[in-house]
Amino acid sequence: DSGVTQTPKHLITATGQRVTLRCSPRSGDLSVYWYQQSLDQGLQFLIQYYNGEERAKGNILERFSAQQFPDLHSELNLSSLELGDSALYFCASSVGSGSLVTQYFGPGTRLTVL
Amino acid sequence: SQQGEEDPQALSIQEGENATMNCSYKTSINNLQWYRQNSGRGLVHLILIRSNEREKHSGRLRVTLDTSKKSSSLLITASRAADTASYFCATAPTSGYSTLTFGKGTMLLVSP
Repeated sequence: DSGVTQTPKHLITATGQRVTLRCSPRSGDLSVYWYQQSLDQGLQFLIQYYNGEERAKGNILERFSAQQFPDLHSELNLSSLELGDSALYFCASSVGSGSLVTQYFGPGTRLTVL
Repeated sequence: SQQGEEDPQALSIQEGENATMNCSYKTSINNLQWYRQNSGRGLVHLILIRSNEREKHSGRLRVTLDTSKKSSSLLITASRAADTASYFCATAPTSGYSTLTFGKGTMLLVSP
C-alpha cells in the first residue's frame, strides 16, 4: 500500500459524459501527478500540481482539467468523453517537485467509456 | 510520446534464473528510474540511478546506466514467481522537474 488513495476504482460511463476522478496523496506529500495508461499509448504523464499550483503539463487534452485543493487532494475532470479515453488513470504523489523525488502511485481508476 | 523503449517486450524464465531488461531513451536525462507494475495495479518504485552514476544495487536488483549510449539495464537475480510483473523505465528531464516519461515496459513471467 503506497498511501495514495484513488476513487472510484472503476467507472463506466457513456460517450459525451463528464467524470471526476479523485486522488488523496500520501500524508505530507505536496506534489500530485496524473497519468493515463492505455494499451496503445502506454503510460503518459498528464499534469502535475505542487502545493495547489500547476507545476508541469504533459499530454493532457483540452477536454481534461485538474486541480489541487488546499487539503492537497486532487481531482481530474474528464469531459466530452470519447471511446479512446478508456484507460487506467493513475495518481502519484511525492514530497517535493524536484527530479530526484520518488513518486508513489495509487491503485488507479479504470475508466470505461461505452 | 514515449521516451524509453524497453527490450524485450516480454520475457519468460524459470524461478532461480536471472532476468535482464533493457531500456533505451532519446534525450538527455537527470536520472532514470525503474518501476514495477503488477497486473492492472499501481506502479511501485524500484530504484533510481542518477545520470552521473554507472551502476546501482538494491537487494536482488542491479541497474546500469550508459549515458553515452542512452541506455540502461535492469538485472533481477535469482528470480522468484513473485517477480512476475511488468517493468518500466522512466526518465526524468534535465530541467529539474520531476515529471517522468515512461517506456512501454517489459512483461516478465517467472514460472515456478
